[in-house]
Amino acid sequence: QVQLQESGPGLVKPSETLSLTCAVSGYSISSGYYWGWIRQPPGKGLEWIGNIYHIGSTNYNPSLRSRVTISVDTSKNQFSLKLSSVTAADTAVYYCARRSDLWYFEYWGQGTQVSVSP
Amino acid sequence: EIVMTQSPATLSVSPGERATLSCRASQSVSSNLAWYQQKPGQAPRLLIYGASTRATGIPARFSGSGSGTEFTLTISSLQSEDFAVYYCQQCDNWPLTFGGGTKVEIK
Repeated sequence: QVQLQESGPGLVKPSETLSLTCAVSGYSISSGYYWGWIRQPPGKGLEWIGNIYHIGSTNYNPSLRSRVTISVDTSKNQFSLKLSSVTAADTAVYYCARRSDLWYFEYWGQGTQVSVSP
Repeated sequence: EIVMTQSPATLSVSPGERATLSCRASQSVSSNLAWYQQKPGQAPRLLIYGASTRATGIPARFSGSGSGTEFTLTISSLQSEDFAVYYCQQCDNWPLTFGGGTKVEIK
């Protein structure tokens, strides 16, 4: 059973960089698939942030591309998200997920709340 | 960017009744559409992919239909555990985009 678990600070100051990690168990990232990040602001819908293939190729949402970096560490079987220059608008629950070859998300982490506040 | 519009925003249904949720794409996504269910405090759960294929373990009361720009998720007989928010997602073009959601509540 594939399981994903997000971790990282729950509070980030404005203008700083948000950093999250997603640990994967039950499947080796180096075996394939794309691995992605999705976020959900309080009381709102879902926004795709981006994803990474196990060899490192990435796709980002154009609305966030200038501030986002997703990386993968196959030795630790995890992948990470960095979002720079955060503002209050980046306050959200951040989910990591495995993306299928048909571009839907079949396995999700439980999500981690990140608040941006001084 | 493909805009996904879901309607209605809220659907009030009695247990045992049928629920019909709609999702419209701003341009054709062929059959490249997924549906998710999200309960409070939980991650979304994949229900349907390819517009009409149920994901593993999803009960047969959930069905999806449509292609191009118009899609429907039908829950044939609502159970208590089905009251939740439902999202559609287009899987056809970058960036991947989701609808705003339909909340199915108890009538």
